[in-house]
Amino acid sequence: DVKVTQSSRYLVKRTGEKVFLECVQDMDHENMFWYRQDPGLGLRLIYFSYDVKMKEKGDIPEGYSVSREKKERFSLILESASTNQTSMYLCASSGSGNTDTQYFGPGTRLTVL
Amino acid sequence: GNSVTQMEGPVTLSEEAFLTINCTYTATGYPSLFWYVQYPGEGLQLLLKATKADDKGSNKGFEATYRKETTSFHLEKGSVQVSDSAVYFCALRPSDGQNFVFGPGTRLSVLP
Repeated sequence: DVKVTQSSRYLVKRTGEKVFLECVQDMDHENMFWYRQDPGLGLRLIYFSYDVKMKEKGDIPEGYSVSREKKERFSLILESASTNQTSMYLCASSGSGNTDTQYFGPGTRLTVL
Repeated sequence: GNSVTQMEGPVTLSEEAFLTINCTYTATGYPSLFWYVQYPGEGLQLLLKATKADDKGSNKGFEATYRKETTSFHLEKGSVQVSDSAVYFCALRPSDGQNFVFGPGTRLSVLP
């Protein structure tokens, strides 16, 4: 059974803190993605990675960075959390074929106070 | 560029009613098409997919047919249940790229 896991379901942080969101997939997928989801704005792509140590900016990369040191793990980093980064964060992975499905983790609900 | 348009809802139906959620897309070539479902507080789950024209994806009573001539992938179910209440996302994966493109999602509420 395919599986994408995220380190926390709920997280509460203070403004200015450094925040790490971890994502692990067990499907040997090449591609991994970080999205944020906000009411009325749908899914917005933050960053994605096609391979280990590779990263590409998505639509809204400002205020975020990522790390992919191992194929199965993709981390999202908020260098200095701000209240406007309060959101649901979704990690996903997929194979590299153009018919391959994207699989999602359960999401992390982050609140920045 | 690539895009997905779907009715945003909310859609409210009575149990056992017929469901249609419209989805149209813009893409070059032959994208793969997907429907995902998101239950409250959860991530997105694949509901069904179709990878070429005239393919029909189906799962849990839901169906959608890849219509190249109308660039559509409408989701249908003959008789909805309260447990189908969720947000439904139409998505495409371009034939020439890596990144998925998602529609805005349609919230469905089914009343007993």
